[in-house]
Amino acid sequence: DIQMTQSPSSLSASVGDRVTITCRASQGISNYLAWYQQKPGKVPKLLIYAASTLQSGVPSRFSGSGSGADFTLTISSLQPEDVATYYCQNYNSAPLTFGGGTQVEIK
Amino acid sequence: EVQLLESGGGLVQPGGSLKLSCAASGFTFSSYAMSWVRQAPGKGLEWVSAISGSGDSTYYADSVKGRFTISRDHSKNTLYLQMNSLRAADTAVYYCAKAAASTITARFNYWGQGTLVTVSS
Repeated sequence: DIQMTQSPSSLSASVGDRVTITCRASQGISNYLAWYQQKPGKVPKLLIYAASTLQSGVPSRFSGSGSGADFTLTISSLQPEDVATYYCQNYNSAPLTFGGGTQVEIK
Repeated sequence: EVQLLESGGGLVQPGGSLKLSCAASGFTFSSYAMSWVRQAPGKGLEWVSAISGSGDSTYYADSVKGRFTISRDHSKNTLYLQMNSLRAADTAVYYCAKAAASTITARFNYWGQGTLVTVSS
């Protein structure tokens, strides 16, 4: 089974900062990688799919990169409404594993 | 508008059974794979099970294999999760999620609001 490892598990940054979250797959998954945002008490929301394609309606300050086993989610300028937990997910093959999550807070 | 409405959650004793439902609307149900994803209190997301659009292929996490069964009824546009031999570790909010394709190798582009399952004596 493919394991997904996210880092860091949490971070605190100031408004306007550039934030980077990494996700590593235990084996190559091509670009079958999605990122989800889950705000406190809310349902997860798709941000990015195919490693770098922005879902419709998602602000352009979010971007994704990577292929194979190493992936990155970047928030170019952190906003207060970005406080959330972010999850990566392998959808290359079952089990469709999620990373452990990265909790993003405002400093 | 795509809507996914879960139901069937509740309190059940260890070793008991429960059947979750997810009523889908706003899209051609049989054309898309569906999954169940759960989230234990204060924990991360855990994929549980998936079924192809046709219903011919099913997949399970090791943690539920042999105890849970996923199915779908195209006449009712409804996804199901039959959960047997429930354990305390199965306590979670269960979400149904729609894939963006008929195969399971696709992102989840819509999620339901979730239904809470509590396994406790």
